Amino acid sequence: EAEVAQSPRYKITEKSQAVAFWCDPISGHATLYWYRQILGQGPELLVQFQDESVVDDSQLPKDRFSAERLKGVDSTLKIQPAELGDSAMYLCASSLGTGSQFFGPGTRLTVL
Amino acid sequence: DQQVKQNSPSLSVQEGRISILNCDYTNSMFDYFLWYKKYPAEGPTFLISISSIKDKNEDGRFTVFLNKSAKHLSLHIVPSQPGDSAVYFCAAGTSYGKLTFGQGTILTVHP
Repeated sequence: EAEVAQSPRYKITEKSQAVAFWCDPISGHATLYWYRQILGQGPELLVQFQDESVVDDSQLPKDRFSAERLKGVDSTLKIQPAELGDSAMYLCASSLGTGSQFFGPGTRLTVL
Repeated sequence: DQQVKQNSPSLSVQEGRISILNCDYTNSMFDYFLWYKKYPAEGPTFLISISSIKDKNEDGRFTVFLNKSAKHLSLHIVPSQPGDSAVYFCAAGTSYGKLTFGQGTILTVHP
């Protein structure tokens, strides 16, 4: 069964360090999303890609966060420098178009 | 401004009975709605969706009802099973693809 892959599953870092998360969407899915989920809340969209182009990054804190999907397949989300408030689950999802989104297992980030 | 709200943080149900999870939204531009189930330390799993042109969609034990005039949707699980215990998120989407999620409801099904 096709799945969205994410790595690492867990990441512990100290504040002011740089972290990076990787996502490989379901094969053939042109649309890729990065969400952040804080404990007790629902996921919130950070950035949406259509192929290699950013469609929506209005909620991405661009002073410290960056995302890329250079070849329109896998994607990397980076935080530099990490802050205590960045501790959360970072979820990647993909969809064929703008239909139902399928999520990966997420990366649990803890910033100390 | 929370556009999608799940007002019940938790719900406890006996095995075999019906579970009803509720969700309200404020943005009339949403044109489809989804329910996701999430276990701890895992990503959300897609359960069922409904287009804004329909008022009901059924898939096995799961049925989603949409009341557009009340801006309300609900997920019915019949019969509930202990394995259904998880956090349930409703989400609303537009034609651009962005999903807006509710805060989630923790469902516990007791044997």
